[in-house]
Amino acid sequence: AQTVTQSQPEMSVQEAETVTLSCTYDTSESDYYLFWYKQPPSRQMILVIRQEAYKQQNATENRFSVNFQKAAKSFSLKISDSQLGDAAMYFCASYGGATNKLIFGTGTLLAVQP
Amino acid sequence: AAGVIQSPRHLIKEKRETATLKCYPIPRHDTVYWYQQGPGQDPQFLISFYEKMQSDKGSIPDRFSAQQFSDYHSELNMSSLELGDSALYFCASSLATGEYGYTFGSGTRLTVV
Repeated sequence: AQTVTQSQPEMSVQEAETVTLSCTYDTSESDYYLFWYKQPPSRQMILVIRQEAYKQQNATENRFSVNFQKAAKSFSLKISDSQLGDAAMYFCASYGGATNKLIFGTGTLLAVQP
Repeated sequence: AAGVIQSPRHLIKEKRETATLKCYPIPRHDTVYWYQQGPGQDPQFLISFYEKMQSDKGSIPDRFSAQQFSDYHSELNMSSLELGDSALYFCASSLATGEYGYTFGSGTRLTVV
């Protein structure tokens, strides 16, 4: 079974500052992948970043990077130089090769203050 | 680039009515997933199809059914609608395995009155 936990229901950051969103997960699979999805007010689910569990190197996509701690089953998202357009609900998600199903956490609502 | 297309975008139905939601996956994607997202909730997996066969089933009520057709589009049929069925319904598609993530459609907002 897979579970994903996001313990921060809401976060706030000043424009141009850095913010970190937390996520922990649990899985019995050895082959799995982790994702962060962004859901702005338009409700569209947008893939932000992807991490392969067998890779130790943390994934990076422009201003977005992750801190993947496999032993601790932690997968946090860092947003640098925050922009107003980053304001959204952020979902952490886990995909396992055996279950072939994407499981979401409960989300963190990020507000960006000008 | 073509995305996942869902129709309709919005749907209003009365209790006990039937609704049909449609999903057209990205070309060459052979796996389709349906999710339900209630207000303030995370998306909950309903059902998935691979190569036109049901591949997995989640918390989908017996009143709901779905299928994937020969052109890979999928339809979610919802009968005897209840007020609690009001939600955003997402369709997503991927290649055979979802290890590269799913591509989501814009969702269908269903309101049951």
